[in-house]
Amino acid sequence: AQSVTQLDSQVPVFEEAPVELRCNYSSSVSVYLFWYVQYPNQGLQLLLKYLSGSTLVKGINGFEAEFNKSQTSFHLRKPSVHISDTAEYFCAVSEYGGSNYKLTFGKGTLLTVNP
Amino acid sequence: DAGVTQSPTHLIKTRGQQVTLRCSPKSGHDTVSWYQQALGQGPQFIFQYYEEEERQRGNFPDRFSGHQFPNYSSELNVNALLLGDSALYLCASSWDRETLGMGKTQYFGPGTRLLVL
Repeated sequence: AQSVTQLDSQVPVFEEAPVELRCNYSSSVSVYLFWYVQYPNQGLQLLLKYLSGSTLVKGINGFEAEFNKSQTSFHLRKPSVHISDTAEYFCAVSEYGGSNYKLTFGKGTLLTVNP
Repeated sequence: DAGVTQSPTHLIKTRGQQVTLRCSPKSGHDTVSWYQQALGQGPQFIFQYYEEEERQRGNFPDRFSGHQFPNYSSELNVNALLLGDSALYLCASSWDRETLGMGKTQYFGPGTRLLVL
């Protein structure tokens, strides 16, 4: 069975500071990895995804993430955050191939950007 | 291009009642998944529909059932509502036949917030 651990439930930062949101996963097979963002009272928006190829993935709004297979991690980074980046961020995993189609999510990290 | 749409946006029910939530997938998508997101938690997979059949189910009781129509839209039904069913219900759509596993990429709607009193 697959699982996702988001190591920080809350991350407060100041505007224009860099940020890293950590995600570790566990799976017995190869996986695809995703980061979603959820703004207050809204659904989930896809930020970026790793399917194959380059381990550094760039997404929307200046975010990027790096897949590290040996450490089973997929940490999300942004070099300079804005107030508008305040939201809940979810890391998710799905298994490669087979008949397991579901996304398994972490519990989320609340990013709060302060002026 | 319309994204995933869900209705209604909010719903209030009492214990023991039944509820039906609706979802229209993103244009070109043929697969619909449903997730339950309790307050302060990540979404939990309920089930996925493809070709009008339930293809995979998560750890939810039989009170949760669904349907997919020929136009790929879907319904989620919950019977005998419990207080613990209060949550945001998210619908996600994807395209089964995309290459390189991109069918695994699911796009979410805005959700239906259900409150059970």
